[in-house]
Order: sequence, then structure tokens, then C-alpha cells
Amino acid sequence: AQSVTQLDSHVSVSEGTPVLLRCNYSSSYSPSLFWYVQHPNKGLQLLLKYTSAATLVKGINGFEAEFKKSETSFHLTKPSAHMSDAAEYFCVVSELWNQGGKLIFGQGTELSVKP
Amino acid sequence: EAQVTQNPRYLITVTGKKLTVTCSQNMNHEYMSWYRQDPGLGLRQIYYSMNVEVTDKGDVPEGYKVSRKEKRNFPLILESPSPNQTSLYFCASSPTTGREQYFGPGTRLTVT
Repeated sequence: AQSVTQLDSHVSVSEGTPVLLRCNYSSSYSPSLFWYVQHPNKGLQLLLKYTSAATLVKGINGFEAEFKKSETSFHLTKPSAHMSDAAEYFCVVSELWNQGGKLIFGQGTELSVKP
Repeated sequence: EAQVTQNPRYLITVTGKKLTVTCSQNMNHEYMSWYRQDPGLGLRQIYYSMNVEVTDKGDVPEGYKVSRKEKRNFPLILESPSPNQTSLYFCASSPTTGREQYFGPGTRLTVT
């Protein structure tokens, strides 16, 4: 069965420093992987997606993630944090042939950015 | 603008009073889904639909109904709401099964 583990429930960084949000997944087949962001009192916005093309995926707002099959990881990074990056981030896995392509969400990582 | 819309955005109701949360998308997507988000439990799928007239249960379907009579609309129906259905609800759509999903702004429901 597919699953997602976000290794940190909360990450705090200073503005201008790098961001690393860690995600490991478990999947029986070739998964699709996504990162979503949720700002307070807002809906979920797609940051980036991996669908078996390039392993390094670039997303919006300077975020990127690298798919590492050997490590079953899909960590999210950004070189320099901005105050507006403070939000909750969800790592998500989907399998096309499993349960109608349902999205399986990680528990979320709350990112705080200090001035 | 391509979007998923939900109405109402906020709703306070009483136990047992039937309600419907509407969801509409203007992207001609085949796949639509409903989720609920609860503290400590993350997002869980309630129902999904792969196409018109095709719906199926997700992880937590009890107490909910859905219908998909038109491609663009996927309403969520609570026939007899209970306090344990107090939650934040999201509708989402996708071009097809297994692809990225686009989420609506959410509906915050409180059942007293």
C-alpha cells in the first residue's frame, strides 16, 4: 500500500536561509508525487509535481524537489526563504492504478520563517 | 480563470438538518473528489468521481452522499449532519485519474 511520511511536523528557518522539507514515500508501483502548500485559511495550491519524467522538478515560487527512487524520498527545497513562504506543506503520492488514483497526503510540515 | 468553486464557504447548522455543499469546476476535468481536513488527521477522501454518473467511496464516506449528473458539478450532501462532521471540506478536480488535483477554497462546516 502506498503511504507518505513527512519527517518533520514543524520547521523553522530565518528569512534568506535555505529550506528543506523532508518526505519519504512507499509505493508498490511507479508513483506520481506532488507537493502542495496551504496558507492559513486558504485552499491547497499545487507547488510542483513528479510524474516519471525528470527527477529534479522545479515548481512555483523558487521551490524544487528531487525524486530519489533508491531512497524513496521526495524532499522539497528552496535556496532562500521568504516571509511569505510561511505555511503548511503537504507531500502527496498517487498511483494511477490504485483506488482510482487517490491522493495520499502526508501529515503536513508547518514552515515558520523568522525575520 | 480556471478554478474550482465551492459554496458556501462557511456554514453553521444544527444536527439533522440536511445540507448541500456545491462544487463546480470550469476546466472540463473528468475527475472530481471531496476531502475533509481535520487537525491531527490530515486530509481524507470522502468520495470521488471518475466521470459523469460514476462515483465511488473514499476512505470516510459514512454520512455523506454525492452525485455527478454534469461534468462540471459534484455536490456533497449531508442528509442528517452530526457534530462529528464538523470539519473543513475541500473539493478538487483533475484532468483524469492519477493526475494532479486542483482544489477549491474550502468550506468550513460547523454542526451543533
